[in-house]
Amino acid sequence: KQEVTQIPAALSVPEGENLVLNCSFTDSAIYNLQWFRQDPGKGLTSLLLIQSSQREQTSGRLNASLDKSSGRSTLYIAASQPGDSATYLCAVRRSSYIPTFGRGTSLIVHP
Amino acid sequence: DGGITQSPKYLFRKEGQNVTLSCEQNLNHDAMYWYRQDPGQGLRLIYYSQIVNDFQKGDIAEGYSVSREKKESFPLTVTSAQKNPTAFYLCASSIETTGPYEQYFGPGTRLTVT
Repeated sequence: KQEVTQIPAALSVPEGENLVLNCSFTDSAIYNLQWFRQDPGKGLTSLLLIQSSQREQTSGRLNASLDKSSGRSTLYIAASQPGDSATYLCAVRRSSYIPTFGRGTSLIVHP
Repeated sequence: DGGITQSPKYLFRKEGQNVTLSCEQNLNHDAMYWYRQDPGQGLRLIYYSQIVNDFQKGDIAEGYSVSREKKESFPLTVTSAQKNPTAFYLCASSIETTGPYEQYFGPGTRLTVT
């Protein structure tokens, strides 16, 4: 059974720092990995999706990488801002299976 | 605009009453999902449906029921048999006929049962 772990569970940083959030998974036979953002009391917003054949995806200040062989993905946030404060979740999926979610990293960026 | 709508945003019920949460999508997605989110627990899958008139139990289906009579709609009923129904409920959808199987979420419904 796939297990997904996100470390750290919580992170508090000053504005302007570059951040790395980690997502590890136990079964490397994945089809894709998706990163989400969740603001308090809201639904999940998709940030980036990396397919198994890809190494990374970029959107603005966000860059997500995937290393299937080691069972790891990282979400890099450049020049963090207070508006980046949220919970970040990763979800791993095999082709016809239901995604498995991590518990998330709660990020606070303070001015 | 395409997306997933959930209604209502907040729902209050007395213990012992059944309640139905609405989820509608206009993305033409094949699959729809219901998750429950509790503080410190992460997302837990209640039910999912990959095609109209078919659905499967997730990890915590007891006390819940669903129907999928239309592609666009996947309502969730929280029955009186659910022992601890107060939670945040999220609906999601995805295309299943072709990749990349990206999942999209609705805004959620917060259910409080007293």
